[in-house]
Order: sequence, then C-alpha cells, then structure tokens
Amino acid sequence: QKEVEQNSGPLSVPEGAIASLNCTYSDRGSQSFFWYRQYSGKSPELIMSIYSNGDKEDGRFTAQLNKASQYVSLLIRDSQPSDSATYLCAVNLLNQAGTALIFGKGTTLSVSS
Amino acid sequence: DAMVIQNPRYQVTQFGKPVTLSCSQTLNHNVMYWYQQKSSQAPKLLFHYYDKDFNNEADTPDNFQSRRPNTSFCFLDIRSPGLGDAAMYLCATSAIALTGPGANVLTFGAGSRLTVL
Repeated sequence: QKEVEQNSGPLSVPEGAIASLNCTYSDRGSQSFFWYRQYSGKSPELIMSIYSNGDKEDGRFTAQLNKASQYVSLLIRDSQPSDSATYLCAVNLLNQAGTALIFGKGTTLSVSS
Repeated sequence: DAMVIQNPRYQVTQFGKPVTLSCSQTLNHNVMYWYQQKSSQAPKLLFHYYDKDFNNEADTPDNFQSRRPNTSFCFLDIRSPGLGDAAMYLCATSAIALTGPGANVLTFGAGSRLTVL
C-alpha cells in the first residue's frame, strides 16, 4: 500500500522561530510533492510544490526534497500565529488510471505569541 | 475568478436517506477528484475523472457513486448514508500534466460537510 507518513504533532513553536515539518513517502515513482495548509473546517490550500531534489524557497517557506531518501520537508521561518494550522504533505501516485494525489494525515502546528 | 464551487456547504441527512453533493469548476480542468476527509484524518481519495474516464479507488465503498455529465460539473451520490459517512467531502480539479513543474497541482473547493443523524 502506497503511503505518506507525517508526525501528527502538535508541533509547538514560539513566534519568530523556525518550524520544521517532515514527510516520508513509499512510492519511489512519485514525481510531484506538495505541502498544503488546512485551517480547521476549511479546505486545503497549496503552500508549496516541489518536483526536483534540493531546496525551493518561496518567501518564509522552504521545501526540501530528497528522492533517494523518499523524504520531503517544509521549513517555515519567522513563524507567525497565523501559521497555526494543519500542514498536509501530498505526493502523486502513479497508477493504471494515471495519477492522483495521496495525502498524509497532517502535522498540526501551533505558533504561540 | 476561476474557481471550484461546491454545494451545499453543509448537508444534514438521516441515516439511509440518499444525498447528492455537487461540484462545478470554471478552470476548464480535465481532471476532477472527490476526497473524503474525516476529523483529524488525511483526505482520502474516493474516485477521479480524466475527462469522462471514471477511476474508482479499490477501497471506495459501493455506497458512493459519481457522475460527470460535462467538463464543468461533477456529482457525488451517497446512496444510503451511514453514521460512518459523516465527513467533509472535498472536490478538487487539476489540468492534465503528469510530469514537470505545475504537474498535479490540485485546486480545491470549499468542501461540503455532511452530517448523518
């Protein structure tokens, strides 16, 4: 069974600190990797996408991908209380039907002011 | 603005009473997905369409059906809802792009929260 694993948390950091979120996946054929943010009762919204090994930076967010280790992470610098949410890691799964995204259970981040 | 719209946002039904949830999109995306998300759990893929080609996940119960009459609309039918079907149902779309930057990016609707009494 293809899986995406995340620590459920909660991960608690003070305002201004760096939050580090981690994700591992089982399908070596996966080529697309995403981080979605989900506030309670809302639908997921895309934060970052990454397709190649290495780092990708977008403002306060940095995604890191290591395909050999089947590992993808998200760093949030200068964390703000508004960053408090559940962060979902998603990985594409290639199957007979083409492709679909499989999600992890998410890591709950709490940023205290 | 181009978007994905789900109706209704909140649906309350009785045990065993059929329910239909709808999803429409103005993005002209070829692929539409239905996910089920229960409290504190990952969104779980139920099925998806590549254009009119229907793809059912192996563990999706027969109680769940879907229709896509045209590119813009997709429906989720729950024939006999049970208490365990109470969840947020998320519709998402993506353009067909299997590889490369921008591939597989999902755009979600706001979700339909189903309560079963």
